[in-house]
Amino acid sequence: DAKTTQPPSMDCAEGRAANLPCNHSTISGNEYVYWYRQIHSQGPQYIIHGLKNNETNEMASLIITEDRKSSTLILPHATLRDTAVYYCIVRVAGTGRRALTFGSGTRLQVQP
Amino acid sequence: EPEVTQTPSHQVTQMGQEVILRCVPISNHLYFYWYRQILGQKVEFLVSFYNNEISEKSEIFDDQFSVERPDGSNFTLKIRSTKLEDSAMYFCASSPAGGDTQYFGPGTRLTVL
Repeated sequence: DAKTTQPPSMDCAEGRAANLPCNHSTISGNEYVYWYRQIHSQGPQYIIHGLKNNETNEMASLIITEDRKSSTLILPHATLRDTAVYYCIVRVAGTGRRALTFGSGTRLQVQP
Repeated sequence: EPEVTQTPSHQVTQMGQEVILRCVPISNHLYFYWYRQILGQKVEFLVSFYNNEISEKSEIFDDQFSVERPDGSNFTLKIRSTKLEDSAMYFCASSPAGGDTQYFGPGTRLTVL
């Protein structure tokens, strides 16, 4: 699985959009970009994933650059409950039984 | 919405004792996993399980660890003789057939004294 780079921490004002970047410059054509988050010491929570098209669900939007070397997770209206560590993970499709490799992620602090 | 459940939420044990951590994966999921997170550190993969056998395991998952799916709903992690360094949050996860998305439980905090 390709390596990812994320900023260690970010702040965001409540109600504003939180834009979390991820660099995955060595991503290959069959690798998806996954985002998970971990609120305090709870279990990681799946947010969204994509291959090359932008994706949106009820939680967030995922914007992947045309060259697929980076992506941005967007929380459109951040709330205090979105304070968490956000993990960007790249993995080959169809490897569901394989491990997820968590890095250090980005600690997002949503400020009131 | 279905979710992965884990029991107990907190387990305290003496060094050298055996512990069994229990998980109920999401019904109809076929892949099951255990991860752990030592306080302040990254989430680490331990083992994956499919079709009643281990698919993959990490270096952490040594002979002290074992997993079992004793019936159609439970998935357990046993640590035979706990060490102080086994103190951590243990997360169970499951994913559906053909699915790459893993869904995690709330975790069991294991404290070894």
